[in-house]
Amino acid sequence: GDSVTQMEGPVTLSEEAFLTINCTYTATGYPSLFWYVQYPGEGLQLLLKATKADDKGSNKGFEATYRKETTSFHLEKGSVQVSDSAVYFCALSDMNTGFQKLVFGTGTRLLVSP
Amino acid sequence: DGGITQSPKYLFRKEGQNVTLSCEQNLNHDAMYWYRQDPGQGLRLIYYSQIVNDFQKGDIAEGYSVSREKKESFPLTVTSAQKNPTAFYLCASSPSGAGGTQYFGPGTRLTVL
Repeated sequence: GDSVTQMEGPVTLSEEAFLTINCTYTATGYPSLFWYVQYPGEGLQLLLKATKADDKGSNKGFEATYRKETTSFHLEKGSVQVSDSAVYFCALSDMNTGFQKLVFGTGTRLLVSP
Repeated sequence: DGGITQSPKYLFRKEGQNVTLSCEQNLNHDAMYWYRQDPGQGLRLIYYSQIVNDFQKGDIAEGYSVSREKKESFPLTVTSAQKNPTAFYLCASSPSGAGGTQYFGPGTRLTVL
């Protein structure tokens, strides 16, 4: 079945550093791809999405580009802040089940120090 | 404000007791979902419902039950048959044609003593 693989964390950075969190996927068909963020003790919030190859999703300084040739959707931010500390989940929409099921990666914890 | 509410935020129960987690949404979304989150793992789908009075098992439905009597509400019961119920439970909803986008509630942390 469809699956998502994320880099293991934690990712530890200093404020204003460049961030990359790798995400690759395996899917049949052409899924939409998502990044969700989870702050401590909270639910998930949609950060950005891309629905087709070469689309770039962006929000709050974060970006990710849907790369069909490498089956990847890496999350990037040019300058992280302490407030970006959270767990980031990559996900795809599995269209094979007859409804829009989301398949999640295991999450990557980001820790940003001042 | 529109959104998804889950209550309570923290729940403690004794082993062998059934417990029901609440999920309410006022977004007028058709579909609703229940996920379980364990430390270091992604979210796993327990049950989902695409329409009132209809629901389907997800990947880990054993030991859980749900109902969908109203569009706004999708309660989850964790039964005594669930062997390891301590976890963080997340409810989500999505409108028709959302392209897979789901909107999440704040979650309920269940601890079984």
